[in-house]
Amino acid sequence: AQKITQTQPGMFVQEKEAVTLDCTYDTSDPSYGLFWYKQPSSGEMIFLIYQGSYDQQNATEGRYSLNFQKARKSANLVISASQLGDSAMYFCAMSYLSGGYNKLIFGAGTRLAVHP
Amino acid sequence: EAQVTQNPRYLITVTGKKLTVTCSQNMNHEYMSWYRQDPGLGLRQIYYSMNVEVTDKGDVPEGYKVSRKEKRNFPLILESPSPNQTSLYFCASGLYRGQSTGELFFGEGSRLTVL
Repeated sequence: AQKITQTQPGMFVQEKEAVTLDCTYDTSDPSYGLFWYKQPSSGEMIFLIYQGSYDQQNATEGRYSLNFQKARKSANLVISASQLGDSAMYFCAMSYLSGGYNKLIFGAGTRLAVHP
Repeated sequence: EAQVTQNPRYLITVTGKKLTVTCSQNMNHEYMSWYRQDPGLGLRQIYYSMNVEVTDKGDVPEGYKVSRKEKRNFPLILESPSPNQTSLYFCASGLYRGQSTGELFFGEGSRLTVL
């Protein structure tokens, strides 16, 4: 069965340092998509980055990059040069086809605290 | 402005009193979905819809109903709410892109408390 696992309930990082948030996934489908979303304390969900299973290169969006290791089934988010505003909950998600329909499942999340 | 709008944002109700949480998007997206967020469990999918009149169950559909009569609206109905449905609810929409839903746009969330 498809599954997303985030093993770090909480992380902290010093401002301006880089941080890696872990995400592993489980699927037997060859075609899937991987996402990271940010949820600040205000509650809204903000899309950060997307990686398709057939994409050859790791996705990057500004200070965010997705370290996609297909054989290990991992899709870690790397935030470079952390800022205080990066303090939030981060969710890894995977989309896949099930019975002809698309589904999107989320991990339990990692709470990141950026310290000055 | 492109957005997903949920109402109400906050609601306290009592067991058994039917309620509807509305969701509307102005981006002409085919795909819409409802999630509930509970501490330590992340977001779990309740129902989703690939297009008008096409809906299907997610992972936690019990106690909920949905309808998709128009492309822009996807209301979530709790016919007889129970305390275990106290949660933060998110509506989301996105473009259907074959093997992937693509980026989802989320509403601001609806915090529901059932006493």
